[in-house]
Amino acid sequence: GENVEQHPSTLSVQEGDSAVIKCTYSDSASNYFPWYKQELGKGPQLIIDIRSNVGEKKDQRIAVTLNKTAKHFSLHITETQPEDSAVYFCAASINEKLTFGTGTRLTIIP
Amino acid sequence: DGGITQSPKYLFRKEGQNVTLSCEQNLNHDAMYWYRQDPGQGLRLIYYSQIVNDFQKGDIAEGYSVSREKKESFPLTVTSAQKNPTAFYLCASSISSGSHEQYFGPGTRLTVT
Repeated sequence: GENVEQHPSTLSVQEGDSAVIKCTYSDSASNYFPWYKQELGKGPQLIIDIRSNVGEKKDQRIAVTLNKTAKHFSLHITETQPEDSAVYFCAASINEKLTFGTGTRLTIIP
Repeated sequence: DGGITQSPKYLFRKEGQNVTLSCEQNLNHDAMYWYRQDPGQGLRLIYYSQIVNDFQKGDIAEGYSVSREKKESFPLTVTSAQKNPTAFYLCASSISSGSHEQYFGPGTRLTVT
């Protein structure tokens, strides 16, 4: 089955700087790659996603890039703010089933 | 106010007892999912249902059971056969089985002692 690896597991960034989280997947048939943000004690919230026919997608301060050849995709957050502090999960989808990475705890330092 | 509700937020049970977690959605979504989350790990799929009266096992279905008698409801029963039931359980839904975007409920934290 699909296997998703996510790095780093923790990331501390000065407020205003950029943060990058990277994921790799194993199954070349995966065709959908969402990113979720989870705050403490809450359910994950979908923040951005990308499909396999697109190389990059941007939504305000958040962007995702996909390299199908290398089977990796990344989340970029620019001009980080304290409210960006959370755990971020990547996922890869094949046949409508999501396989998740193990998460990155992002801390924004004021 | 549309969304996915899970109740209760915290649940405590004694070992050996079955317990049922509730998941309701008023989004008119066809597909619903149950995931388990353990500390420091990603979400793992327990069961999913693409349509009423039909459901499939996910990656870690052993010790769990589900039913899908109504479109808006997808309860999960954690049976006494589940060896490590203490975890954070998340329910999700998507508009159809052909759509990938999944939206999550707030979760239920189950503690079994």
